[in-house]
Amino acid sequence: QKEVEQNSGPLSVPEGAIASLNCTYSDRGSQSFFWYRQYSGKSPELIMFIYSNGDKEDGRFTAQLNKASQYVSLLIRDSQPSDSATYLCAVNSRGGGGADGLTFGKGTHLIIQP
Amino acid sequence: GAVVSQHPSWVICKSGTSVKIECRSLDFQATTMFWYRQFPKQSLMLMATSNEGSKATYEQGVEKDKFLINHASLTLSTLTVTSAHPEDSSFYICSARGQGRGAYGYTFGSGTRLTVV
Repeated sequence: QKEVEQNSGPLSVPEGAIASLNCTYSDRGSQSFFWYRQYSGKSPELIMFIYSNGDKEDGRFTAQLNKASQYVSLLIRDSQPSDSATYLCAVNSRGGGGADGLTFGKGTHLIIQP
Repeated sequence: GAVVSQHPSWVICKSGTSVKIECRSLDFQATTMFWYRQFPKQSLMLMATSNEGSKATYEQGVEKDKFLINHASLTLSTLTVTSAHPEDSSFYICSARGQGRGAYGYTFGSGTRLTVV
């Protein structure tokens, strides 16, 4: 059974600092990895995705993937209070062309302290 | 960008009645639709996957006769919760994937908050 693990938090980070969110997954065949942000009572919003080992940067966000360790992380630079939300890690095991739905972690609750 | 419209955003129904939730892709053809359920403080759990014109594939533990999914066109999928009970109260979210799309194909609807009383 595919599992995605995240520390539920809450993770408290001062405004302007770097927030580091981590995720591990069980299915070694996983190919696509996603980070979503979800505000309370709302639907998830895609932040970024990553397919290849290494880092991928998009604005203040950097996703890091290490397939050997089955580990994916999200760094948020210059954290803002509006970044306070639950961050969901999601994994797809069939890659870009597959039809499988995503397996989600339970999410990490991030609090940015002004 | 890709937009998925989901209606209603919230619904309250009596126990034993049925509720239909609609999910529409507005600017792309959704060859695959996914339905998720999220209980409070929990993550999204995939309920079923449907491809246009074919029967839905349900995840283990999800009753296909209770959660009826129809994906009759490339822009519309519906989830009907039949004979709803209080334990079915949850946040239901659809996600659409378009043909030939990459990660952006996992576009989520805004969700439906179902409360069964």
